[in-house]
Amino acid sequence: NAGVTQTPKFQVLKTGQSMTLQCAQDMNHNSMYWYRQDPGMGLRLIYYSASEGTTDKGEVPNGYNVSRLNKREFSLRLESAAPSQTSVYFCASSEALGTPRGGYTFGSGTRLTVV
Amino acid sequence: EDKVVQSPLSLVVHEGDTVTLNCSYEVTNFRSLLWYKQEKKAPTFLFMLTSSGIEKKSGRLSSILDKKELFSILNITATQTGDSAVYLCALAGGTSYGKLTFGQGTILTVHP
Repeated sequence: NAGVTQTPKFQVLKTGQSMTLQCAQDMNHNSMYWYRQDPGMGLRLIYYSASEGTTDKGEVPNGYNVSRLNKREFSLRLESAAPSQTSVYFCASSEALGTPRGGYTFGSGTRLTVV
Repeated sequence: EDKVVQSPLSLVVHEGDTVTLNCSYEVTNFRSLLWYKQEKKAPTFLFMLTSSGIEKKSGRLSSILDKKELFSILNITATQTGDSAVYLCALAGGTSYGKLTFGQGTILTVHP
């Protein structure tokens, strides 16, 4: 029972480099999300996908892009990494957007450092 | 804009103590309020509250919602060192329609 799987778990980037964070869920959930977590700020929504084929901006989308590749997979791309993007990134999924019955299921996170 | 504020931001207690964590919110159209426990990695779901005055309980943890005064509390009785974690409150509803808006979290440390 894998739930939500994120890769990689750790990454160090140089300013200006690009990378993609991968996320896959095996619970047949329709909705998927990307959050970032910074000290003292809780989790902030970057992008979300209500269902396969749709994506929308969250609270802090600047500097990121996403792709909902299929129902299972939702990737987050940093085109030109900046030190301000140093954070822990969490992917999450839920049955549907409007009714998070039982709450979201989170992946184990990616700790990203941009130097 | 939806807003979730948790207090205190950090708390240090000894095993056996009872703690109360607070979560206040502002939202246009309330759907639900959720509590999560975050240890080293991913947040794990504790409770979802949708109705005022109905206590949700799981072992030593309990939570209640007051929709009139716009807050929720999470109680932990007879704390154990394993309760040490960040406790997150999250709001679903209003302008964010089902997407969760999180508070800053409360860091709870339980000493033996």
